[in-house]
Amino acid sequence: SYEVTQPLSVSVALGQTARITCGGDNIGRKNVHWYQQKAGGQAPILVIWRDSNRPSGIPERFSGSNSGNTATLTISRAQAGDEADYYCQVWDGSTARRVFGSGTKVTVL
Amino acid sequence: EVELVESGGGLVEPGGSLRLSCEASGFSLETYTMNWVRQAPGKGLEWVSSISRSSSHIYYAESVKDRFTISRDNAKNSLYLQMNSLRAEDTAVFFCARETVQNAFDIWGQGTMVTVSS
Repeated sequence: SYEVTQPLSVSVALGQTARITCGGDNIGRKNVHWYQQKAGGQAPILVIWRDSNRPSGIPERFSGSNSGNTATLTISRAQAGDEADYYCQVWDGSTARRVFGSGTKVTVL
Repeated sequence: EVELVESGGGLVEPGGSLRLSCEASGFSLETYTMNWVRQAPGKGLEWVSSISRSSSHIYYAESVKDRFTISRDNAKNSLYLQMNSLRAEDTAVFFCARETVQNAFDIWGQGTMVTVSS
């Protein structure tokens, strides 16, 4: 079955750029989606769909890319309110199962 | 307003059963593939199961296969998850989520807590 890997944590200074990676075998051939989940058991929200598309209401500071074996979520001009866990997700075409990464905790210093 | 509301969670003993429900409002459930996703305390998101619009395609994670059954009633705009032979490791918040044609989960419910303990 397909697996994706994420770093456990990423720290970013206020106003700087954070990059969160999602690794997988030829992940560049798959659609990668990204979710933000804030602390306190809140429901996740979709921040990037199909590699680089932002849903309405998501700030332009959030962007995504996907190539080769790595997809990346980039948060520009990081704000305190961006502190959250971020998950990547793909659809495994060989099993039709949906696969989440283990999540990356983003801390804004 | 587009919304998903889960219900049915609670405390159940190991080996017991529970049925979760997810009611949709603001959109027609029948036009979307739907999913259940869970999150154990302090852990990450785990996809559990998906069901296509007409229920013709159903998939499960290995961890719940043969114990959980997903179903839907489009007329009632509702999604269900029947959970049997529950184990302590099934303790989690269960979310229902709407899936787009690109397989992204664009709408999530607030979650319902399931605790399996004696």
